[in-house]
Amino acid sequence: NAGVMQNPRHLVRRRGQEARLRCSPMKGHSHVYWYRQLPEEGLKFMVYLQKENIIDESGMPKERFSAEFPKEGPSILRIQQVVRGDSAAYFCASNSGNTIYFGEGSWLTVV
Amino acid sequence: AQTVTQSQPEMSVQEAETVTLSCTYDTSESDYYLFWYKQPPSRQMILVIRQEAYKQQNATENRFSVNFQKAAKSFSLKISDSQLGDAAMYFCAYRTGSSNTGKLIFGQGTTLQVKP
Repeated sequence: NAGVMQNPRHLVRRRGQEARLRCSPMKGHSHVYWYRQLPEEGLKFMVYLQKENIIDESGMPKERFSAEFPKEGPSILRIQQVVRGDSAAYFCASNSGNTIYFGEGSWLTVV
Repeated sequence: AQTVTQSQPEMSVQEAETVTLSCTYDTSESDYYLFWYKQPPSRQMILVIRQEAYKQQNATENRFSVNFQKAAKSFSLKISDSQLGDAAMYFCAYRTGSSNTGKLIFGQGTTLQVKP
């Protein structure tokens, strides 16, 4: 859905570098979800945030991954010291009523 | 915990024909939502159709319809008059209805090929 904006669309990082992915939800929405899609797999929930608060981070890896959604600005998914296994599509989503709409995704490639 | 299973990794259909994609799920909840999403080669996630568990009537969106069998925990997607643009990966997804902000649980996906 065009209302959920993600950037960058494509990001290449060398092993050990940091990756930052940004997401702005649909206008007027104060919640975002982050999902990860590994090659040839379905989407897996990572984290659910509202402004300045993490609601559910049950899908986040314990190390190197963090997410925030500040009062001002987009939500950021941060991956420190990236490894090749982090190469994936990362989708952000926000909900309108009972339906969740996705952004176009950010493709991270670790070389 | 809820799970969603799509047992058909790949399906193919002749253009203009009808195809049905299967999805089963497991939950102990009575209030929930089910979705089918389409992911074309562009990789964007596009909502195809949505079903509320409390509704007995099957949802329909143009050429797309579902067969929702709550007791059997089955939620299949029927695509009628298949078109070349329907070729994509299709994901079935579950969302709890117990809160306004439930996360989605996805199946493994079914790749649909449409033959001209």
